[in-house]
Amino acid sequence: NAGVMQNPRHLVRRRGQEARLRCSPMKGHSHVYWYRQLPEEGLKFMVYLQKENIIDESGMPKERFSAEFPKEGPSILRIQQVVRGDSAAYFCASSPLQATNTGELFFGEGSRLTVL
Amino acid sequence: KQEVTQIPAALSVPEGENLVLNCSFTDSAIYNLQWFRQDPGKGLTSLLLIQSSQREQTSGRLNASLDKSSGRSTLYIAASQPGDSATYLCAVLDAGNMLTFGGGTRLMVKP
Repeated sequence: NAGVMQNPRHLVRRRGQEARLRCSPMKGHSHVYWYRQLPEEGLKFMVYLQKENIIDESGMPKERFSAEFPKEGPSILRIQQVVRGDSAAYFCASSPLQATNTGELFFGEGSRLTVL
Repeated sequence: KQEVTQIPAALSVPEGENLVLNCSFTDSAIYNLQWFRQDPGKGLTSLLLIQSSQREQTSGRLNASLDKSSGRSTLYIAASQPGDSATYLCAVLDAGNMLTFGGGTRLMVKP
């Protein structure tokens, strides 16, 4: 059973370009969480999704950022018109049910975005 | 809003020392608390998970305790080794399915 798969692992973009980060949850998992880790900081919650639904996006910046988790395929975190401050590691986590039912989230290796 | 604080932010010790990392959280209504290890440029490795009804968990040289009422957890590392050098993250899961992380403790164990 493969773990949470994120790609790309490393992404370089110039200011103004778009970044798309993908997350394939563990098999059988229908809940996905995205976290951002700025350099030398802890992980900050961004968004919590179930298949085809955004459950909680309270940590998502209001502009330029969007996330989806379609019925088929991976979850996508999209950052439009990237700026240097978007440079960070973006982690995805998944759980089979609500995290409070299972008690545990499983994390991917992260996608590291560098904005030049 | 849950806030998680880790002290110290950084720690450097000689090999062989026993050490304690601290984690505090503001809202005691949690489901569980988890300690992670993160190596530079890498992902998260789960070390220990303590359910809200538990007081502690042990794995090898690691022992984590939880005092939910006071909003505190400690991670005890016995006989530290250079391979223990990493950032240690504490995270609490609350009723909103929200996992909130502390800022981490960067540990350096010198040979």
